[in-house]
Amino acid sequence: DTGVSQDPRHKITKRGQNVTFRCDPISEHNRLYWYRQTLGQGPEFLTYFQNEAQLEKSRLLSDRFSAERPKGSFSTLEIQRTEQGDSAMYLCASSLGEGNTIYFGEGSWLTVV
Amino acid sequence: AQSVTQLGSHVSVSEGALVLLRCNYSSSVPPYLFWYVQYPNQGLQLLLKYTSAATLVKGINGFEAEFKKSETSFHLTKPSAHMSDAAEYFCAVSASYGGATNKLIFGTGTLLAVQP
Repeated sequence: DTGVSQDPRHKITKRGQNVTFRCDPISEHNRLYWYRQTLGQGPEFLTYFQNEAQLEKSRLLSDRFSAERPKGSFSTLEIQRTEQGDSAMYLCASSLGEGNTIYFGEGSWLTVV
Repeated sequence: AQSVTQLGSHVSVSEGALVLLRCNYSSSVPPYLFWYVQYPNQGLQLLLKYTSAATLVKGINGFEAEFKKSETSFHLTKPSAHMSDAAEYFCAVSASYGGATNKLIFGTGTLLAVQP
């Protein structure tokens, strides 16, 4: 499968714990995006990378959230001290530069109990 | 600033009937517009996109959409619904130039039900 890959697909964690999600974009895609989607809502932009540089962060991305793309390939999204409000699906997407189609992964579901 | 509004959070049609899902956009620059489909517990799949070429855009699975600048609309249609079309549909907008990030701004989605 050469699509966008996300891991884990599902994560249940206790409030206050840290969680990390990984995204492997389509090979050679230089842009990588993170979105969050809650039930009944459309995806909301969190942040995006061009190669290893994080070029934009939404105000939705609080200090507890950090995203990295150290070598311009895979990316991680870490949530520290999780809260129940963090329960959502976290979607990763990638594209080959500006103006090209953005392809989404199947998402990582987070449930904070 | 950009935004999209999807009219109707739930739409129900009979199998074989016309599907019409409405999307209106707001954009301070010429937009790119997209329709994505999401099946339960899955990510988003691109149905079609408008990038300032032809105003009538044909996509996968028999869907098409027409860009109407005067109405700021980009409604999605399919002449004959199939049971497999039951899913959630999202309209999205992005900026087309000017150093914009190309990030997508999504609507709240329309859940399409297809009745036998």
